[in-house]
Amino acid sequence: QSVLTQPPSVSGAPGQRVTISCTGSSSNIGAGYDVHWYQQLPGTAPKLLIYGNNNRPSGVPDRFSGSKSGTSASLAITGLQAEDEADYYCQSYDSSLTESLFGGGTKVTVL
Amino acid sequence: QFQLQESGPGLVKPSETLSLTCTVSGGSISSSSYSWGWVRQSPGKGLEWIGNIYYGGNTYYSPSFRSRVTISVDTSKKQFSLKLTSVTAADTAIYYCARRADYGGNSPLPIDYWGQGTQVIVSS
Repeated sequence: QSVLTQPPSVSGAPGQRVTISCTGSSSNIGAGYDVHWYQQLPGTAPKLLIYGNNNRPSGVPDRFSGSKSGTSASLAITGLQAEDEADYYCQSYDSSLTESLFGGGTKVTVL
Repeated sequence: QFQLQESGPGLVKPSETLSLTCTVSGGSISSSSYSWGWVRQSPGKGLEWIGNIYYGGNTYYSPSFRSRVTISVDTSKKQFSLKLTSVTAADTAIYYCARRADYGGNSPLPIDYWGQGTQVIVSS
């Protein structure tokens, strides 16, 4: 069980909007630490998708957006495309554990 | 273009030391804007941060690995390395080297570049 909890899977039809939650606690997301999101396509290394809660690196489509509120963060994908089928991971820092943590990952399936 | 490339043995015997090297190309390894580290991924435990080395040589290790891990850097070769001692089958994983970027925000620093990953199997 990860300290940062993500749903194991989400799915949606092409063109739909899906959201992935990352639920933490008062010692990580709720303490004000930033959340980053990574996309991992099958057989490849993770790729930075969102940093600092809601910032997109250059080259990441604006279909991807991040938000944070309280002890949770979310990644939204609008206009879902077949190429978005991947695993998505959130990352933050926990002051009690004194380490950087990843969520357990969410598999996005495009129906 | 900037790249990270892991190298090292793909098979390590139990109780021995896992040693991996990451070579940086297309950019500088000597910048205060970045730190260099290792992340591993195994089916059972997902992504795990192992530790980082910062500009100036300071290191920070995950408490889960602190007693067994050493990360070092050789700026002349543009390489940084991971040593993990007393390995067991639980250390079987894909190991990624990574660059973390100081974007001026709060902790943690995001990983903006990843190596392609190298599979390490611990078995006799």
